[in-house]
Amino acid sequence: EAQVTQNPRYLITVTGKKLTVTCSQNMNHEYMSWYRQDPGLGLRQIYYSMNVEVTDKGDVPEGYKVSRKEKRNFPLILESPSPNQTSLYFCASSLNGVSYNEQFFGPGTRLTVL
Amino acid sequence: RKEVEQDPGPFNVPEGATVAFNCTYSNSASQSFFWYRQDCRKEPKLLMSVYSSGNEDGRFTAQLNRASQYISLLIRDSKLSDSATYLCAVNTGNQFYFGTGTSLTVIP
Repeated sequence: EAQVTQNPRYLITVTGKKLTVTCSQNMNHEYMSWYRQDPGLGLRQIYYSMNVEVTDKGDVPEGYKVSRKEKRNFPLILESPSPNQTSLYFCASSLNGVSYNEQFFGPGTRLTVL
Repeated sequence: RKEVEQDPGPFNVPEGATVAFNCTYSNSASQSFFWYRQDCRKEPKLLMSVYSSGNEDGRFTAQLNRASQYISLLIRDSKLSDSATYLCAVNTGNQFYFGTGTSLTVIP
């Protein structure tokens, strides 16, 4: 089944404790992206990757890191999480980042930073 | 200025009603446009792409007005199952910008 998977689905952590949220897709998509969704602010793009070893900042990259060492994986790293990073996070992938290619979203990761 | 502006609603409509949502975008260089549906904090799923010529899929019609920089979604004959949040999205230079979403509740 074609899908985007994220782990963990739920995470409660404390300020400053490094964490990684994994994202994997099995559709051989070139484009992958991370979003956070907050009430009243909608979905905002954190980072995106056009292909392996190519990553770019989105709208809200501060406090986050990503890597794209393999085509299928795009982990999101919070080196020192803070309470303002409490949010619902979505990973997404599409064939490429241009034109009318559909983005497929993972199920989301609900992160709480205390 | 936000890249994409969307009326958050909520829209509460009776079954069978016609409802329309609009989004405006600020960057005239934006290349592609979409409507996504999101159910109760689940992942967004593509409802339809929005082409310059307009497109229709059953009860749903999407339109793009490049001159005025807005996209619209029309839902005819609303069903209870249409209750969800509808997000517009715009692709500008490899980045995606989403509206805050419009909440729709269809009432029996």
